Amino acid sequence: QQQVKQSPQSLIVQKGGIPIINCAYENTAFDYFPWYQQFPGKGPALLIAIRPDVSEKKEGRFTISFNKSAKQFSLHIMDSQPGDSATYFCAARSGGSNYKLTFGKGTLLTVNP
Amino acid sequence: GAVVSQHPSRVICKSGTSVKIECRSLDFQATTMFWYRQFPKQSLMLMATSNEGSKATYEQGVEKDKFLINHASLTLSTLTVTSAHPEDSSFYICSAREIQGNPYEQYFGPGTRLTVT
Repeated sequence: QQQVKQSPQSLIVQKGGIPIINCAYENTAFDYFPWYQQFPGKGPALLIAIRPDVSEKKEGRFTISFNKSAKQFSLHIMDSQPGDSATYFCAARSGGSNYKLTFGKGTLLTVNP
Repeated sequence: GAVVSQHPSRVICKSGTSVKIECRSLDFQATTMFWYRQFPKQSLMLMATSNEGSKATYEQGVEKDKFLINHASLTLSTLTVTSAHPEDSSFYICSAREIQGNPYEQYFGPGTRLTVT
């Protein structure tokens, strides 16, 4: 059972566009929702994270929107650049579970120049 | 800060041999380390969770006798793939959670590409 559903699987935007990646979860025990960026052959790197008591968080060009009642959260990348081309994973942590993360399946983002 | 290293970055071994991968937290002490496996174009799948000085907890479907995990110190965990077979070829990634600091965050290593011939 996939506990974190991520969409779309792939996304192509032009430079300057605002790609949006969506995730939905079912487990109401999740208490921390990070987004990771991964380049080919590299480990994932934390981009931004949010806790469910906040509806939006912005760090630089990256914004998380969080809808607790709908159990959905999304990543927006403002003014996207070709260097943002990577795979993005959403994740969720269940409190009291030894801090394990459950990952979405990933979104391959391509930003064309 | 909060850097995690892995060694080796790439390894090729023959079928039937064993391979050890090291995961180190370079500038912090890690209470918990995690081992993930990632197949091409797929997500990260948690294999096991290890706490320093205690036995690792394996996820369902992961053979603990095949993937041996040792978390001997607060800065080092090792994953040994025993009697490796071609289907074990994958990208193995570790992460670590800091003792003092954000309890929610995991810091990921750069990964180890294992190829079994």
